[in-house]
Amino acid sequence: KAGVTQTPRYLIKTRGQQVTLSCSPISGHRSVSWYQQTPGQGLQFLFEYFSETQRNKGNFPGRFSGRQFSNSRSEMNVSTLELGDSALYLCASSFGGAETQYFGPGTRLLVL
Amino acid sequence: QQQVKQSPQSLIVQKGGISIINCAYENTAFDYFPWYQQFPGKGPALLIAIRPDVSEKKEGRFTISFNKSAKQFSLHIMDSQPGDSATYFCAAKDYGGATNKLIFGTGTLLAVQP
Repeated sequence: KAGVTQTPRYLIKTRGQQVTLSCSPISGHRSVSWYQQTPGQGLQFLFEYFSETQRNKGNFPGRFSGRQFSNSRSEMNVSTLELGDSALYLCASSFGGAETQYFGPGTRLLVL
Repeated sequence: QQQVKQSPQSLIVQKGGISIINCAYENTAFDYFPWYQQFPGKGPALLIAIRPDVSEKKEGRFTISFNKSAKQFSLHIMDSQPGDSATYFCAAKDYGGATNKLIFGTGTLLAVQP
């Protein structure tokens, strides 16, 4: 079974731009969570989607948003990029209410 | 109360030795405690997980010890190998509500010297 895939793997943007990251979960998984990983703050929860509905959200500004499609694929969007948004953005999927989460390789975003 | 405190920040162990990483939490609502292993350029991979009703869980060379009263849990890597060199994260999940949100520790960079 294919793992969690994330595209693109690397991205360079400038301040003020917006970016959209994509995540394809493992086939059959309906829960998708997003995390931001930085050297200073570690792994921080952004939000979680289940069956196209956001069911939890972390403490990030409204510039961070996401959505999930009917095929469980998910996207996250960051608008008005700031230097501090440079990070590895990780997507994790799980099967329904199961707790085991499988992470993708991440998208490394660099904001200049 | 939502934090998971992890120590040490970094660890150097000789090949064949035992690596021990400790985590502590405050929120008694946490009911699922996974450990993740992350290699450079990769996403975290689940290593082993435990629930509070079990004091110890072993999978191969990896063991989680759980002390519910002290609100602490630890990862022991027996017979550590150079291939175990990675960053290890403990995490916790709150049983409240239908969510898979994980609270992660700050990570431990393990280096196993040959």
